[in-house]
Amino acid sequence: QQQVKQSPQSLIVQKGGISIINCAYENTAFDYFPWYQQFPGKGPALLIAIRPDVSEKKEGRFTISFNKSAKQFSLHIMDSQPGDSATYFCAAANFGNEKLTFGTGTRLTIIP
Amino acid sequence: NAGVTQTPKFQVLKTGQSMTLQCAQDMNHEYMSWYRQDPGMGLRLIHYSVGAGITDQGEVPNGYNVSRSTTEDFPLRLLSAAPSQTSVYFCASALASGRPQYFGPGTRLLVL
Repeated sequence: QQQVKQSPQSLIVQKGGISIINCAYENTAFDYFPWYQQFPGKGPALLIAIRPDVSEKKEGRFTISFNKSAKQFSLHIMDSQPGDSATYFCAAANFGNEKLTFGTGTRLTIIP
Repeated sequence: NAGVTQTPKFQVLKTGQSMTLQCAQDMNHEYMSWYRQDPGMGLRLIHYSVGAGITDQGEVPNGYNVSRSTTEDFPLRLLSAAPSQTSVYFCASALASGRPQYFGPGTRLLVL
């Protein structure tokens, strides 16, 4: 049973473009939604996170949009750069609960 | 700070063999966890600990044991390795419940 569904599985974006990755969750008890970035051979690293009391959070070129009624959230990468090429994972949890539930990941490739 | 360290980086086992994957952190984090990463399945929680002497099961605990005798260390034991346990294993730690989790570099395990 997959509680967090992530799409697309892979994404190719031109340099300077906007990369968009979507996630949907089922468990309405989730109230903490982080995004992780993973480079080959490395562990995931926290990129940005949001709680459902806000609909959007922006940190530099990275923005999370959150739609509580639709149980969906997305990551937008503005002005995408080749250095952004990595695998991105969305996740969800009850805030204060240790159990992160991850999406299946999106392999992002930024081409010149 | 070294952060979260994992050893070994790579291991090959034969079916039925046992081994321990080591995880250590020097950030005085209370919370530690183990995940496995498989292609197309994201990361799945195996076991976690909220402090020394306290452990609990995650999503996929079967075939794995853990203990937490110190704040710094959280070893993962495979008692009788099976090919289905071929995976990349990540250890993570957090200052406390609900705080961002920091991942180690991973251990790649191949069970023949």
